[in-house]
Amino acid sequence: QKEVEQNSGPLSVPEGAIASLNCTYSDRVSQSFFWYRQYSGKSPELIMSIYSNGDKEDGRFTAQLNKASQYVSLLIRDSQPSDSATYLCAVFAAGIMRFGAGTRLTVKP
Amino acid sequence: EPEVTQTPSHQVTQMGQEVILRCVPISNHLYFYWYRQILGQKVEFLVSFYNNEISEKSEIFDDQFSVERPDGSNFTLKIRSTKLEDSAMYFCASRGLDRSGELFFGEGSRLTVL
Repeated sequence: QKEVEQNSGPLSVPEGAIASLNCTYSDRVSQSFFWYRQYSGKSPELIMSIYSNGDKEDGRFTAQLNKASQYVSLLIRDSQPSDSATYLCAVFAAGIMRFGAGTRLTVKP
Repeated sequence: EPEVTQTPSHQVTQMGQEVILRCVPISNHLYFYWYRQILGQKVEFLVSFYNNEISEKSEIFDDQFSVERPDGSNFTLKIRSTKLEDSAMYFCASRGLDRSGELFFGEGSRLTVL
């Protein structure tokens, strides 16, 4: 069974802090890795994509990938209340994207 | 910016009725997907479609479900005889030929089965 696992949370951080979200995956042939943000009742919104080992930064967001450990993470710096949402880790392999259950993040003012 | 569009945004139906959810993928995309998300649960893969045929389907996608690309633009998901447990958000997604795997999602169709 090809699984994508996330800390279910909820995760609560104060405004301005760093939020750290983690994800592991089981399918070693996974090619591409994504973080989506989802608000209640809405469709997933792409935040970051990462394809090779290491870090990728985009504004306040940094994605980290370690294929040997089958681990992906997302750091959100200077967290804002508007970052409060559910964050979905997604892994693309063999033509299919599979999602984790999501981590609910709350950023408190 | 091109987008994936889905209709209806919300459909309420009686158990046992047939439902068709419609999607218009991004025009130059060739891979199409349906996902389902039951309230409070994860986004689950249902089916992928390429070159006018199903390329992969999950165990959720049983004989009650079917997909079709009836013309050059629409991609539909049909549920033949709806059950209460089919109540969910259904997301259509498409992607192009690049190998990145990035999917572009529609806004979703909320199905409520009574």
